[in-house]
Amino acid sequence: QVTLKESGPALVKPTQTLTLTCTFSGFSLSTSGMRVSWIRQPPGKALEWLARIDWDEDKFYSTSLKTRLTISKDASKNQVVLTMTNMDPVDTATYYCARTPPGGCSGGSCYVDYWGQGTLVTVSS
Amino acid sequence: SSDLTQPPSVSVSPGQTARITCSGDALPKQYAYWYQQKPGQAPVLVIYKDSERPSGIPERISGSSSGTTVTLTISGVQAEDEADYYCQSADNSGTYVFGTGTKVTVL
Repeated sequence: QVTLKESGPALVKPTQTLTLTCTFSGFSLSTSGMRVSWIRQPPGKALEWLARIDWDEDKFYSTSLKTRLTISKDASKNQVVLTMTNMDPVDTATYYCARTPPGGCSGGSCYVDYWGQGTLVTVSS
Repeated sequence: SSDLTQPPSVSVSPGQTARITCSGDALPKQYAYWYQQKPGQAPVLVIYKDSERPSGIPERISGSSSGTTVTLTISGVQAEDEADYYCQSADNSGTYVFGTGTKVTVL
């Protein structure tokens, strides 16, 4: 059974750095073709993809946010960590981690098949 | 442009057909995917590779592609289909792009 769960602070102050952890089970990020992404959704708004890390340590970032994001993994702990610097109230959102399975990418586009429940992060002083 | 544009809302009576479009310049070159999101829940994948259905997704949900537009079709709409729907693809640099989202209301 594949599960993912996000954890981290519910409230951060402007200019602070946010660190979120995705703890997963039911799959290994050491498996060829496995990928984990972070995606966020401001209240009442659309989904926004943030970053992805692959089984082979390749990392990809949103063009608009890449200067603020760092993604890393600890495959032995089944965890993926996202840090986002210089938080602003517009970064208030539910943050999801999600899995792309082997075979989930074709011609450069990939889908996610399992999502965590999401964690709401509010940025406020 | 890497944007994916969807109509903000679609309203449909039970038993009728709902069609949700998603338009973007990259769609002729990249596969599209569709997610259903109900209030307070994480999205669920309902279509991958333009028209493939994951296991467990009812046959009345289907996808199609033509040029710069992909379409999600829900036939015989039921009350349980009321949700937000998002298309997703990739831009030229390979990063994921989500559509603007469509709220489906079952009248």
